[in-house]
Amino acid sequence: AQKITQTQPGMFVQEKEAVTLDCTYDTSDPSYGLFWYKQPSSGEMIFLIYQGSYDQQNATEGRYSLNFQKARKSANLVISASQLGDSAMYFCAMREAVTTDSWGKLQFGAGTQVVVTP
Amino acid sequence: GAVVSQHPSWVICKSGTSVKIECRSLDFQATTMFWYRQFPKQSLMLMATSNEGSKATYEQGVEKDKFLINHASLTLSTLTVTSAHPEDSSFYICSARHLGPEQYFGPGTRLTVT
Repeated sequence: AQKITQTQPGMFVQEKEAVTLDCTYDTSDPSYGLFWYKQPSSGEMIFLIYQGSYDQQNATEGRYSLNFQKARKSANLVISASQLGDSAMYFCAMREAVTTDSWGKLQFGAGTQVVVTP
Repeated sequence: GAVVSQHPSWVICKSGTSVKIECRSLDFQATTMFWYRQFPKQSLMLMATSNEGSKATYEQGVEKDKFLINHASLTLSTLTVTSAHPEDSSFYICSARHLGPEQYFGPGTRLTVT
């Protein structure tokens, strides 16, 4: 069953505008972590932001913030003041509790392709 | 810190041959390493999890005899694609974690099988 859902396959956003990328997740584990990664055309996976399930405040890292709504099981990424270099594929991922079965593996959503236009 | 390297960055091989991809954690000891495969315009699909000194755990549907994983030390894991075929052409990415929640990804290896 799909545990991470990203419903937006692609988005255009104008430079300097903010953009919100949607991510919903499904888990019955009370301890989990949510990640956002950026993958430019070069292929490298760039870590952006992390939110733990017990964190009281929404995570922020520079122009990135995570809108964590635990009851709704959503973890949307907000990029403020978009730049041309933000054009990339963005993946939401979830890590459930580390066990000898899972070892902290990540499950990824399908991704959202963001294109920033001048 | 937390740099992961992969070698080679790209490789072309003939059908039927084997190819080895290395994943190294350069400045930390990786208790666990993960191998992913990514087809064009698709998400990352976890292939297997490896812990130093023990056998890799493969995801359902991944042939362990075809994708051999060796995690010989806390800084090195290798993926060998045996008897490669054109359908194995893909982008292979490794990641490594130590004790915290973060996974650090390598730059990926693009495999083309002709």
